[in-house]
Formats: sequence, C-alpha cells, structure tokens
Amino acid sequence: DADVTQTPRNRITKTGKRIMLECSQTKGHDRMYWYRQDPGLGLRLIYYSFDVKDINKGEISDGYSVSRQAQAKFSLSLESAIPNQTALYFCATSDSLGGYGYTFGSGTRLTVV
Amino acid sequence: EDQVTQSPEALRLQEGESSSLNCSYTVSGLRGLFWYRQDPGKGPEFLFTLYSAGEEKEKERLKATLTKKESFLHITAPKPEDSATYLCAVPSRSGGYQKVTFGTGTKLQVIP
Repeated sequence: DADVTQTPRNRITKTGKRIMLECSQTKGHDRMYWYRQDPGLGLRLIYYSFDVKDINKGEISDGYSVSRQAQAKFSLSLESAIPNQTALYFCATSDSLGGYGYTFGSGTRLTVV
Repeated sequence: EDQVTQSPEALRLQEGESSSLNCSYTVSGLRGLFWYRQDPGKGPEFLFTLYSAGEEKEKERLKATLTKKESFLHITAPKPEDSATYLCAVPSRSGGYQKVTFGTGTKLQVIP
C-alpha cells in the first residue's frame, strides 16, 4: 500500500456542488498538508495540520475547509465548487523535523464544470 | 515575499548529454532547500535536502549543490528514465508558521 493514499483519483463535479477529497497516511507523521497544483503556478498550500487539534490556513484557503479526523486522516472539502477550483490536488505528510521533505499522495484530478 | 524561480522551464537532452537545472531563491530565514522529482500523474517524490551553502548531495546520476542564492541539479549522462519534472522548494518561517514555497519546475525530456 502507498504511504499516502488519496481518494478519489479523478472527479468531475458541477458548479455549486459540495465535494470531499480524502487522504490517509501510514507514515505515522503528525503533520499533514493539502496543496493544489496548477500549470505555471506550482504547488500552493491550502491548509495544513500539525496534529489533530491544530489546523491552519495556507495561502489559498478561501472556498475550502478541512477536517482532521485522526492522526492518519485529513480531508479537504469544497463547500460550493466553482470552475476555477479545477486543479490537481495533493495531500502530503511530513515528520516534525521536516528534513526529509514531504511524502505526497498520487493526487486527485478535480474538474468543476 | 519568498520566491523560488526555476530555469529552464523545459529541457530536452539526448541520452548521455549532461546538463544542469537551476533553482534561484529569495526567502527570509532559509532553513534548507528540497529537490523533488514528479512523474506525470503522480505526486512529487523527495530527492534531496540541502541545508547550507557548499553542501552537495548525490543520488545515481543526480547531484544537487547549494549556494547562498541558488541551487543546481546536475544530471550526468542522463537516461530516458530520468525524464520527469524536477521541482525545488524552500521552507521558511514567515507569518508565524513554517511555509514551503515551491518552484514551478523544469520539465526534463531525455531522448534515446
């Protein structure tokens, strides 16, 4: 099994719909992150969590919310999806020292029509 | 504002033709620099962490180096399986939390 598992891998949804992306990890790390990747813009941080009770906004959190259900589970929700949220979404995890970088999931390709 | 700029955006090499990718950065309080490899349809895969100017790390045909303003990823005698997008990222501490700024990557294609 992969260290970081994201579901679904692909999703097409309509404008205005609520959608949840799920992430689970087996690394045993406390820190988890949600990023989105857009062509030409690189990876941008949406939300991050340093433990179950600590959730923080990243640079582009508007229109998104998260839930940290357990140390291993971190979900991202789009409350009312809009077309400019079409992107590749990645969940990642890291240890508290950060020296080994992030372990990323394989991503969710989300299309909002 | 922290910035990370990678060049070139795309690079096409013949198999065996060595070259270098560049990552220049301006960040407050540099805490290190990461290199990642990303294959199409997959998440980035961690390659190296460099912490201080003059440091070098190697893995197979890849060697990463760091100066006070930039990092280079040298690829020696590349093979087609080295084709991927290479990302660099710098963590810094600003606004009260640790933030990682990613570059937009260099897409490398190695032709047999």
